[in-house]
Amino acid sequence: GDSVTQMEGPVTLSEEAFLTINCTYTATGYPSLFWYVQYPGEGLQLLLKATKADDKGSNKGFEATYRKETTSFHLEKGSVQVSDSAVYFCALTYNTGNQFYFGTGTSLTVIP
Amino acid sequence: DVKVTQSSRYLVKRTGEKVFLECVQDMDHENMFWYRQDPGLGLRLIYFSYDVKMKEKGDIPEGYSVSREKKERFSLILESASTNQTSMYLCASRATGAGELFFGEGSRLTVL
Repeated sequence: GDSVTQMEGPVTLSEEAFLTINCTYTATGYPSLFWYVQYPGEGLQLLLKATKADDKGSNKGFEATYRKETTSFHLEKGSVQVSDSAVYFCALTYNTGNQFYFGTGTSLTVIP
Repeated sequence: DVKVTQSSRYLVKRTGEKVFLECVQDMDHENMFWYRQDPGLGLRLIYFSYDVKMKEKGDIPEGYSVSREKKERFSLILESASTNQTSMYLCASRATGAGELFFGEGSRLTVL
């Protein structure tokens, strides 16, 4: 079946450090992939997405590339800020049906 | 600005009480969802609805019911709240055939 595995947290980085959060997936078809972010006390917001292999999603300095050969969608940012402290979720879905598969989330804390 | 609005951000209820969590979306989406979020367990789907008066069980429907009488509104009902239903509840919506879910800000329920 379909599933998403993301790296365990929590992750603590200093401001301006490089961020990578790993996400790998198992898919029976050709899914779309997403990263969502959840700031403290709030719901999830879409951060970026990619709908097919080799697509790169980007937003607010974050990037992730849909890699079919390694079934991965790792989230990266070159220089994190304190305001990036949040929980990050990797997810996959298909355009038909209503199943969304979420990873368990990775908590990021950025310290000044 | 597109929006999913959950009626209560924080609720405190007593064991055995009936609890209603309301969710309204203004995007004319066909599909609406209720998730539960717990530390270490990620997001788990309780119920979803793909049309007015239509519903499907998710992964953890026990102890919950839902109602969708109008397209824009999806309610989650706890008939008799229990302490193990203390959690963050997230409502989301999605257009048919589209990609991302749009989430509300969440309702944090505490059952004493």
